[in-house]
Formats: sequence, structure tokens, C-alpha cells
Amino acid sequence: EPEVTQTPSHQVTQMGQEVILRCVPISNHLYFYWYRQILGQKVEFLVSFYNNEISEKSEIFDDQFSVERPDGSNFTLKIRSTKLEDSAMYFCASSQGLFNSPLHFGNGTRLTVT
Amino acid sequence: AQKITQTQPGMFVQEKEAVTLDCTYDTSDQSYGLFWYKQPSSGEMIFLIYQGSYDEQNATEGRYSLNFQKARKSANLVISASQLGDSAMYFCAMREGPASGGSYIPTFGRGTSLIVHP
Repeated sequence: EPEVTQTPSHQVTQMGQEVILRCVPISNHLYFYWYRQILGQKVEFLVSFYNNEISEKSEIFDDQFSVERPDGSNFTLKIRSTKLEDSAMYFCASSQGLFNSPLHFGNGTRLTVT
Repeated sequence: AQKITQTQPGMFVQEKEAVTLDCTYDTSDQSYGLFWYKQPSSGEMIFLIYQGSYDEQNATEGRYSLNFQKARKSANLVISASQLGDSAMYFCAMREGPASGGSYIPTFGRGTSLIVHP
């Protein structure tokens, strides 16, 4: 069964550094998402992406975040200058459609900012 | 206001018994979708089951079924014949459309931790 893959599985970085989290969505999916989950807490929406542009973003997704689909398969989340509070599990997801299509999640990248 | 409410932070069930995990939602849209996800301790999010607001029958997927009560705005997950591997966090999520201020972006509840005892 096709799946969403995320790399790396763990990333440790120092405060102020830039990180890029990578994702390969399921190939015939059209909608891509990033969510984050601070340890043991709620799954929070960051941004959605469709047709090579951001379709929706939350208030969490401020100027230090950006997303890109540099080629036909990869989907990346960049955090420009990491803060301690950015430490979380970051999930990439994709869906075939918009309304009744479930999101299929990757295994996540655990980001630790020290 | 919370769009998705999961009132049970933790649940315990004996192996082979059935368990119901509660989920209530808040929307004024007539057209919406409800999803359940499982998150084991390893951290991944696994899609379990989907119910559309216009679906007349309750969704079922193997040992998972969704007790959908539209008038009560509840979408409880029923796991039959619990197994030790069912121990995990379970999240209810909803997609709603622009009619109620949504944008089809799934919103998640806070989750219920299920522990299955042998």
C-alpha cells in the first residue's frame, strides 16, 4: 500500500538554526498538509498546499515557516530560525480529495530544539 | 469553541471486550466528514474509519465501527474484541466546509488514551 514517507525521523538542532523537514506524499494525491503535535498534546494544523501554492494556513504558520514542492514528489517544511517552542513531532499528510478523503500521515519527524 | 470534543482522556478495557470511545462535534454545516485515527506509542497516525454526514449507514471497518448519531452530533468509535495492540491514543477529527467557517481542513480532538488489559 502506498504511504507517505518523512525524513529524517529525528532532528536535533540548536536554537536559531534553520531546519528542513522532508516529505514524499502519496503519488496520486493532490492535497498536502503539515501538522504538528507538541509532546502528548493536540494535533495542530499548520498549512495545506494544493496546485503548487498554499491553500490554507493557521496562525502558528508565521513568517519563520515556509513550504515548498521543489519537484514532482517532495514536499518540504522549512523553519527559518528555530525556537525552543518549535520542539514537536511534525507530521506530513496527503489526501486524494478535499472533502471525504482521509488524510494519510507519514510517521513524523521528531524535532528537538536545544 | 471546541469543534471536536473527546471527553475521555483515558479508557481501560479488558482484552476481547468491546469499548466505545466518545466524540462529539460542533458544526452548522450540513455537509461534513468525520474521521478516527489511531496513534500508537511509536507515534505514527493511522487512519481507521470515515463517516460522511450524508451516509445513512454507520461506517464499519473490520473490528471498528462508528456509532453516528447526527441529531446528537456524536460519532463514537466502537472497537470490538479488543486486542493488546489496540492500546494507543485515538483521535477524532472533522472536515467541514465554508458554510460554517470551515475550509475542509481536518480539525482534531484532544484524543483518548486506550489501554487494553490482558
